[in-house]
Amino acid sequence: QVQLVESGGGVVQPGRSLILSCAASGFTFSTYGMHWVRQAPGKGLEWVAGITFDGRNKYYADSVKGRFTISRDNSKNTLFLQMNSLRAEDTAIYFCAKDLDVFSLNFDYWGQGTLVTVSS
Amino acid sequence: DIVMTQTPLSLSVTPGQPASISCKSSQSLLHSDGETYLNWYLQKPGQPPQLLIYELSNRFSGVPDRFSGSGSGTDFTLKISRVEAEDVGVYYCMQSIQLPLTFGQGTKLEIK
Repeated sequence: QVQLVESGGGVVQPGRSLILSCAASGFTFSTYGMHWVRQAPGKGLEWVAGITFDGRNKYYADSVKGRFTISRDNSKNTLFLQMNSLRAEDTAIYFCAKDLDVFSLNFDYWGQGTLVTVSS
Repeated sequence: DIVMTQTPLSLSVTPGQPASISCKSSQSLLHSDGETYLNWYLQKPGQPPQLLIYELSNRFSGVPDRFSGSGSGTDFTLKISRVEAEDVGVYYCMQSIQLPLTFGQGTKLEIK
């Protein structure tokens, strides 16, 4: 069955960097778009970034554009989110989500999430 | 960005009774390809969100048929014909017609 397992979260100081990973299994990773969605503590959902199946096209929310980079390694079935210049408002659970299709912008499977806390 | 507005923000329903959640978008979600890019997710307590309905009215695999999506243009509704205890959680609508993808604030469903 489809499994998405995020890792790399933790406590980091403002201005520092962190890289999140999402290990995928149970489906042909290289044929689906992938996304990161975050949820601040007690708040709603915010789409962060998306990447096409081949990694050629990447899209970002304005709130993270220029600071975060989404990437993937199809040979290792892994999705990444490089987060630079972190701010307190980036504190959230970060979910990795599989696209329903090649790049339908719908998420049919989600990981359990990894918590990122930005604090001094 | 397209703003998604849900009402109510919370509702309490007796098991077996129907429930309805409204979602309004600041722009039409009807694409030139004829599809309406409005989706519904449910986040049960302590879990990641799960897809219920995509492209207005298509139930995702395994979603019970008591869930249905309807609407057009900028006004949409998620209906639960007979609420069950397992339906508790926060329901989100999300538009996928343009980037950035945007969600409604969420509607918390509780059981009476």
